[in-house]
Amino acid sequence: QSALTQPRSVSGSPGQSVTISCTGTSSDVGGYNYVSWYQQHPGKAPKLMIYDVSKRPSGVPDRFSGSKSGNTASLTISGLQAEDEADYYCCSYAGSSLVFGGGTKLTVL
Amino acid sequence: QVQLQESGPGLVKPSETLSLTCAVSGYSISSGYYWGWIRQPPGKGLEWIGSIYQSGKTYHNPSLKSRVTISVDTSKNQFSLKLSSVTAADTAVYYCARGYSSGWYGYWGQGTLVTVSS
Repeated sequence: QSALTQPRSVSGSPGQSVTISCTGTSSDVGGYNYVSWYQQHPGKAPKLMIYDVSKRPSGVPDRFSGSKSGNTASLTISGLQAEDEADYYCCSYAGSSLVFGGGTKLTVL
Repeated sequence: QVQLQESGPGLVKPSETLSLTCAVSGYSISSGYYWGWIRQPPGKGLEWIGSIYQSGKTYHNPSLKSRVTISVDTSKNQFSLKLSSVTAADTAVYYCARGYSSGWYGYWGQGTLVTVSS
């Protein structure tokens, strides 16, 4: 299985919106509604932000939203804040296994 | 509050077996959920290693399957990872986590760095 494809970096100014894409295949992203997104600050463990494509765990701000179309999932962060600067990883169920994306570094300008 | 804590040697020699344990508190492993291992080489992205269900059924990354053994000890409320025939490419921060059937992990350990070097 190959890693899901994410842009290496994205950036935005405070208050703006950014979208991070995650492209896979029909064997993973396109085949199941089981995409999750993680936020990781330097030196910290990943934190679950979105699961099952668009569900938000308790405590995650509603500025974070997820969606999927075909083989591509997306994470949108609206109303960017300085603390959103981090690495973001998508992850998809792939039939008895999981595959992560390569990660996207979000810079808040 | 569910907490996970990895433990094990921080240095392993090439060709030897890496062994890590994840102690779980605040939840009984035998009550359910999937218990997984994920690693992250320095400066790189996350890689799923595998997971085990409370029943003992295991799931593995196909690229690592032949070298990975994941087991659970419900009496100690912990689960373990063994990765055989390690090379420098296995140097990484290893995380343990509690997961759901659809593959998301809601609780993570703090991670432990394992370096493969002679």
